Amino acid sequence: DQQVKQNSPSLSVQEGRISILNCDYTNSMFDYFLWYKKYPAEGPTFLISISSIKDKNEDGRFTVFLNKSAKHLSLHIVPSQPGDSAVYFCAASGNNAGNMLTFGGGTRLMVKP
Amino acid sequence: GAVVSQHPSWVICKSGTSVKIECRSLDFQATTMFWYRQFPKQSLMLMATSNEGSKATYEQGVEKDKFLINHASLTLSTLTVTSAHPEDSSFYICSVGTGYYEQYFGPGTRLTVT
Repeated sequence: DQQVKQNSPSLSVQEGRISILNCDYTNSMFDYFLWYKKYPAEGPTFLISISSIKDKNEDGRFTVFLNKSAKHLSLHIVPSQPGDSAVYFCAASGNNAGNMLTFGGGTRLMVKP
Repeated sequence: GAVVSQHPSWVICKSGTSVKIECRSLDFQATTMFWYRQFPKQSLMLMATSNEGSKATYEQGVEKDKFLINHASLTLSTLTVTSAHPEDSSFYICSVGTGYYEQYFGPGTRLTVT
């Protein structure tokens, strides 16, 4: 049973527009959520995170929104740039998980010039 | 964050041989490291949690006798794939836990078993 799901395997966006990547989770014990960016043949790079006590966290072009009641989070990238083209993974953890992360399946973002 | 390196970045080995992959935390004393594998176009699957000075904790379905993990110091964890077979070919990635939720990942190691 997948506890963290990214239902869109791919997303294509025009440069300068907003990219919205979505993630759903089922485990109500998760209380911390992270987004990672990954290029092929490289390790994931930490982007941004959010605690369950917040509903929004912003860092430059990246904003993560959390809707606890819907068990849904999203990553907004604006404006999107061609260099943002990568696979994005959301991950979740709980304070009883020993810092273990549960990853979603990833969404491949393609930003077209 | 923590800076993490892996060595080698790419290795080809023959079936039946063993391969060791090193994961180093360059600027952080890591009591906990994690080992993942990723198949093409799939997500990261946690294999085991590596704890400094103690035995690793393996996820269900991961053979501990096949994937030997040693975390002998606060800066080094090793993963040895023993008696490798073609189905072990994958992308192996380690990460460092910093005591909070974030993990910082190494660049990964591509293993190809022929």
